[in-house]
Amino acid sequence: DTAVSQTPKYLVTQMGNDKSIKCEQNLGHDTMYWYKQDSKKFLKIMFSYNNKELIINETVPNRFSPKSPDKAHLNLHINSLELGDSAVYFCASSLQNYGYTFGSGTRLTVV
Amino acid sequence: TQLLEQSPQFLSIQEGENLTVYCNSSSVFSSLQWYRQEPGEGPVLLVTVVTGGEVKKLKRLTFQFGDARKDSSLHITAAQPGDTGLYLCAGLLNQAGTALIFGKGTTLSVSS
Repeated sequence: DTAVSQTPKYLVTQMGNDKSIKCEQNLGHDTMYWYKQDSKKFLKIMFSYNNKELIINETVPNRFSPKSPDKAHLNLHINSLELGDSAVYFCASSLQNYGYTFGSGTRLTVV
Repeated sequence: TQLLEQSPQFLSIQEGENLTVYCNSSSVFSSLQWYRQEPGEGPVLLVTVVTGGEVKKLKRLTFQFGDARKDSSLHITAAQPGDTGLYLCAGLLNQAGTALIFGKGTTLSVSS
């Protein structure tokens, strides 16, 4: 059973398009996150939700909008994609910030 | 500025050698976590240290949390090719509404 699953694994799209990445966790965790990993492998927090409530909203363009329909799901919608949005996006979950479980990532390529 | 400085960035060694990876900060963390990431996968938690001076061992891996809870180290004894991967330290500040802050990672390559 996959603990944190995100789809799609790969996403290639043109500039200006709108796309979504979905994430689901079956661990019963109360907090979910979106991280962005750049080409140098640096992981940076984007958003965090605790029980469907937005907790962290880092300095991210407002073209990025997270949505959490319930505490097991956290989706990321990106409007008007730009070349600089190309990266690997990771979903993660934790129970009260103790030990994160990450998904396998979504590699987004904007052309 | 990078809150967690991790070094070295790259490490290429022979099988059987020992190595240490360092993670330093001027900030105090409530906990420090170490992750390992393989290509095409997400980071996987190796260990969490929460007490200043704490030492944890995981087979050939030894993790230490500094007394002041500002730094940590990962020591691998007798490295094996299977240890190859990206090692990431990550800290949690003692503030509400924060998430793990990651270092820039150490890419380890162990050749036989």
